[in-house]
Amino acid sequence: DAKTTQPTSMDCAEGRAANLPCNHSTISGNEYVYWYRQIHSQGPQYIIHGLKNNETNEMASLIITEDRKSSTLILPHATLRDTAVYYCIVSPRGGTSYGKLTFGQGTILTVHP
Amino acid sequence: DADVTQTPRNRITKTGKRIMLECSQTKGHDRMYWYRQDPGLGLRLIYYSFDVKDINKGEISDGYSVSRQAQAKFSLSLESAIPNQTALYFCATNRDSNQPQHFGDGTRLSIL
Repeated sequence: DAKTTQPTSMDCAEGRAANLPCNHSTISGNEYVYWYRQIHSQGPQYIIHGLKNNETNEMASLIITEDRKSSTLILPHATLRDTAVYYCIVSPRGGTSYGKLTFGQGTILTVHP
Repeated sequence: DADVTQTPRNRITKTGKRIMLECSQTKGHDRMYWYRQDPGLGLRLIYYSFDVKDINKGEISDGYSVSRQAQAKFSLSLESAIPNQTALYFCATNRDSNQPQHFGDGTRLSIL
């Protein structure tokens, strides 16, 4: 599986957009980019995933660069409840894959009032 | 995810005891997973199952066993618990490898 690199921590003001970057320069053509978050020892929560097109759902937007070597998760209007550890995960699709998720250290996002 | 239920939520036990952690899901998913998380670390895969007749070892299966009793139920057992198995345990499910995994709220296990 491709390795991901994320900043250890980031801060954001409440109401502002939070932009969380992720580098995955060794990503291969059959690998998706997934984002999860974990709020203080709760179960990880799925946020969004994509292959090469930008994606948006009710929680966030995912911007993937054209070469797919990096991506950015955008929380458009961060709230205090968005304070969590955010994980960027690259995972192969289909074929011999077993859908394994490899969780790295993630980015600790702290949203301030 | 409220559709993935783990029991118990917390357990304290002694070294050498047999422990069973249970996971049930109402999502109708075939695939189920067990992970453990240690303080300050990401999740590591223990076992996974693609259907009731399929069991596979993950990256850290030593000291653990599993049982897939039905599509909806996947249990993790520690045959003889040891202190370094103290961790937060999560169960997850998904429909197939292209779909996101949905996690339970975890079981906090302490082995004295």
